Amino acid sequence: DGGITQSPKYLFRKEGQNVTLSCEQNLNHDAMYWYRQDPGQGLRLIYYSQIVNDFQKGDIAEGYSVSREKKESFPLTVTSAQKNPTAFYLCASSPPGYGYGYTFGSGTRLTVV
Amino acid sequence: GQNIDQPTEMTATEGAIVQINCTYQTSGFNGLFWYQQHAGEAPTFLSYNVLDGLEEKGRFSSFLSRSKGYSYLLLKELQMKDSASYLCAVRDNTDKLIFGTGTRLQVFP
Repeated sequence: DGGITQSPKYLFRKEGQNVTLSCEQNLNHDAMYWYRQDPGQGLRLIYYSQIVNDFQKGDIAEGYSVSREKKESFPLTVTSAQKNPTAFYLCASSPPGYGYGYTFGSGTRLTVV
Repeated sequence: GQNIDQPTEMTATEGAIVQINCTYQTSGFNGLFWYQQHAGEAPTFLSYNVLDGLEEKGRFSSFLSRSKGYSYLLLKELQMKDSASYLCAVRDNTDKLIFGTGTRLQVFP
């Protein structure tokens, strides 16, 4: 079955550590996105990539980094520069064309301990 | 700036009808989407509107008025499993989805 896989489902990070969240899709979608969700704040865009080897900052990119070396993969690194990283992180993908929405992964809940 | 407004919370009774409103101001418009999200889970697609009017899909319907920057999601014959957050999102002129903060719906027996 085609879909998006995010791992791990739960992640604990010590202050000062970098962590990488995995996102893999086998839908052959060109575009991929990372969102952060905090209670009462909806989904906020961190980074997005519309083609391989290219990505753009979203609204809240500070303290995060990404890479897009393969069409299927769009990992997100939460660096120690991100001051408040505890949140629910969602990865999504979409095919080209305006009539299509996003397909979301199941999310990673990151907690700083 | 870009802005999408929805009520924060709504409550309704099982078997009833509820309407969740969404107003938007965005840089361009290439369609409006509604998603359902249960707590701790990923959003799932409900509906898509790009032209004015009503789109019906089973118990769920969605309406769009582009001139008013307004949409609503109508849920009929409410069931307990419909308790969830409902996210309104607009695809802007850069092809990204801009999300509202979501409306948390609680259905009571």
